[in-house]
Amino acid sequence: RKEVEQDPGPFNVPEGATVAFNCTYSNSASQSFFWYRQDCRKEPKLLMSVYSSGNEDGRFTAQLNRASQYISLLIRDSKLSDSATYLCVVNEESGGSYIPTFGRGTSLIVHP
Amino acid sequence: EAQVTQNPRYLITVTGKKLTVTCSQNMNHEYMSWYRQDPGLGLRQIYYSMNVEVTDKGDVPEGYKVSRKEKRNFPLILESPSPNQTSLYFCASSYRGLTTQYFGPGTRLLVL
Repeated sequence: RKEVEQDPGPFNVPEGATVAFNCTYSNSASQSFFWYRQDCRKEPKLLMSVYSSGNEDGRFTAQLNRASQYISLLIRDSKLSDSATYLCVVNEESGGSYIPTFGRGTSLIVHP
Repeated sequence: EAQVTQNPRYLITVTGKKLTVTCSQNMNHEYMSWYRQDPGLGLRQIYYSMNVEVTDKGDVPEGYKVSRKEKRNFPLILESPSPNQTSLYFCASSYRGLTTQYFGPGTRLLVL
């Protein structure tokens, strides 16, 4: 299984700060990419997909750099409620289906 | 409502006593998967299934069995649980693994 690497953090930032996470992947043939958010001991939930052209959803921006094989997540104007673990997911094609590989997650703590 | 359900949510058992954790999804997804999550190790895939009667090992399959006799169900079987299988378990499903994965709420297992 190919590797998906994330800095575990924690990233400790004040409210209102801008913070960015990167996630590197080793399989250049990876097909699709996602960011998930996981609150403490709860199930991961999709935050956003990552498109080649980059995409933005409110305060969140995701980008893909295929040449350097990484995806990024930028959070602007951090809120206390953004405190969570952020997981990147890379899908690889296998026999007509796609096998997701999760990074270990980056922990974000937003403090007052 | 689209959902993945797992049962039981919490389980305390003793070494060697066979147990089954059920997983069911109502979205007609082909792809289903089991993960375990341990502190510092992130989500690790145990088994996955690309469709009915098609299952394959993930990264940590030892000590586990699965079956996929119906599209909606993907039970995880521990034939002889051991303390090192104490963990938080998540079931997930998606359309061919390509798109968003939907996770169940998790099963917390303690093996004494």
